[in-house]
This record gives sequence, structure tokens and C-alpha cells, in this order.
Amino acid sequence: GQQVMQIPQYQHVQEGEDFTTYCNSSTTLSNIQWYKQRPGGHPVFLIQLVKSGEVKKQKRLTFQFGEAKKNSSLHITATQTTDVGTYFCAGLDQGAQKLVFGQGTRLTINP
Amino acid sequence: DAGITQSPRHKVTETGTPVTLRCHQTENHRYMYWYRQDPGHGLRLIHYSYGVKDTDKGEVSDGYSVSRSKTEDFLLTLESATSSQTSVYFCAILTAANYGYTFGSGTRLTVV
Repeated sequence: GQQVMQIPQYQHVQEGEDFTTYCNSSTTLSNIQWYKQRPGGHPVFLIQLVKSGEVKKQKRLTFQFGEAKKNSSLHITATQTTDVGTYFCAGLDQGAQKLVFGQGTRLTINP
Repeated sequence: DAGITQSPRHKVTETGTPVTLRCHQTENHRYMYWYRQDPGHGLRLIHYSYGVKDTDKGEVSDGYSVSRSKTEDFLLTLESATSSQTSVYFCAILTAANYGYTFGSGTRLTVV
């Protein structure tokens, strides 16, 4: 079945540093979604990427979808303490309308 | 978020007892999902539903059953709880607007 791998598993940065998490799928994805989960909270939908090579920005967050639609990345510029949490990518199995999640990258920040 | 609630929020139960978790939504969404979250494993799909009485298995369905007799309720049952089922359980709905999932607040289940 479809597998989605995400690296790194953990990342600790100083406030103001940049952060990137990477997502790779074993199969071509119809689309990819990103979620953020604050400590003790539930995952919250951030964005969906659909097109090959697509790049979307949300303020300091930049999301990319690879040309082959098998990988994706999330880059945060100049991290702030509010960025703390776990970031998940998820690939959509469109036939069954179900998401397969990566293991997540837990971001911690030193103020 | 999007009218989705899970109950209970926390539960401690003994090995071998049955447990039912409830997910309730108020917006008539067709697709509902149960995931479990464990350290190092991310979110893994247990079961999902694509309509009343229409359900299917996910990647970690052993030891779990589900029922959906009404659009608004999706129940997850552990027939005979084991310690390996200690986890945080999240229900989610597919919101047609952007195909993103909206998650409930989760149920923390401890099996002792």
C-alpha cells in the first residue's frame, strides 16, 4: 500500500532560524496535504497541493510539491515560538478518499 | 471545529473489557475516519466510513470494529481491550470544500 515517509523526526532550532521538513511517497500522489498539531492538541489542516511543481506560501511558510508528485516540503522562514508543534504531510488515496500520513516532524524552538 | 466532537475525552479501562468511543458531527459530512496516534508512528487509519452503514478497514483495523447507523455518529469499538491499544484516538471528517480533514479533539485511552 501507499507509504509516506517524513524526515526528520525531530528538529530543534533557535528562534529566528529556518526549518524544513521533507515528505516522500512510495507512489505518485494525486495531491498532498499538510497539517500542524500543537502539543496536546489535534491536527489542523494547513494546505493542499495538487499540481506538479506547485509552490504555495502562507506568510512565513512555503509549501512545495515535487515535479514527479512523489515528494513535498514545508519550509518555515525565521521561526517563532508559535511555530512549535508537529507537522504532518499526508497523501490522498483518491479512490478511497483516505489520507495516509507521514510520521510527522516535531519542531521545538529555543527562544 | 466544523461541529465535530469526540467522547469521552479520557478513559482508563482494564484489559479484556469492551470500550466504545463516539464521534459526532453536526454538518452532514459523508466521510468519517478513525485514526490512532502513537509516538513514532504518526497517525494510522483504523477504519473509515463513506456513508451510513458503509465502512471499510484501514491499515490497523485488527481488534477494532466500527458502526455508522446515522450520518452524524461514527462509533469505534474495542471488543476486548489490550494494552497495545493504549493510544490517542482521533476522529476526522472530510470537508468537501478543500478536501482537508477536520479532526476532533481526541480521546486518550489507557488500557491497564
